[in-house]
Amino acid sequence: SQKIEQNSEALNIQEGKTATLTCNYTNYSPAYLQWYRQDPGRGPVFLLLIRENEKEKRKERLKVTFDTTLKQSLFHITASQPTDSATYLCALESFQKLVFGTGTRLLVSP
Amino acid sequence: DGGITQSPKYLFRKEGQNVTLSCEQNLNHDAMYWYRQDPGQGLRLIYYSQIVNDFQKGDIAEGYSVSREKKESFPLTVTSAQKNPTAFYLCASSLGQGFWETQYFGPGTRLLVL
Repeated sequence: SQKIEQNSEALNIQEGKTATLTCNYTNYSPAYLQWYRQDPGRGPVFLLLIRENEKEKRKERLKVTFDTTLKQSLFHITASQPTDSATYLCALESFQKLVFGTGTRLLVSP
Repeated sequence: DGGITQSPKYLFRKEGQNVTLSCEQNLNHDAMYWYRQDPGQGLRLIYYSQIVNDFQKGDIAEGYSVSREKKESFPLTVTSAQKNPTAFYLCASSLGQGFWETQYFGPGTRLLVL
């Protein structure tokens, strides 16, 4: 069966450290993968898109990698800040729809 | 200010009642989408529309209906046939019709059953 897996347990890190979130998928062959940020009670906000022929994409303190052999995307936030605390969703394009993972909650403590 | 608006923020439904959730965008986007979000589950696609006067069912369309009479508006009706409507409903839009396009989300409507 098809699955997108993100760690359901919250990730707790200290301010200034690098946060790394994982998105694994099974039985999909996405040409694109996206990451979104969602704050409690609000709609998701787009962060980054990476294509299957791109190994890595960066935007300010954010970095995304996409390994189609491992069927995995990693999302990194460097020099994390308490304001980065949120739930981060990965989403991949598959046959006329965008399929979302359940998200990983990140908590950055001062 | 460009964006997507959803109303109301909270909506209460009685048994047997149909309710309509509003979604409006002024981004001049072609495509619009409705998702449902439940705790511990990813967003699930209810309906989508890639062009005015046309829409397609998503994964969980049963008990819901939509219309797309104007480019900027995509209302969702939760009918009495939807037996478990309590959820957070999100509307989104994208500039083009491809599913790789970035989606812009509204603030959501939380539907509760009385």
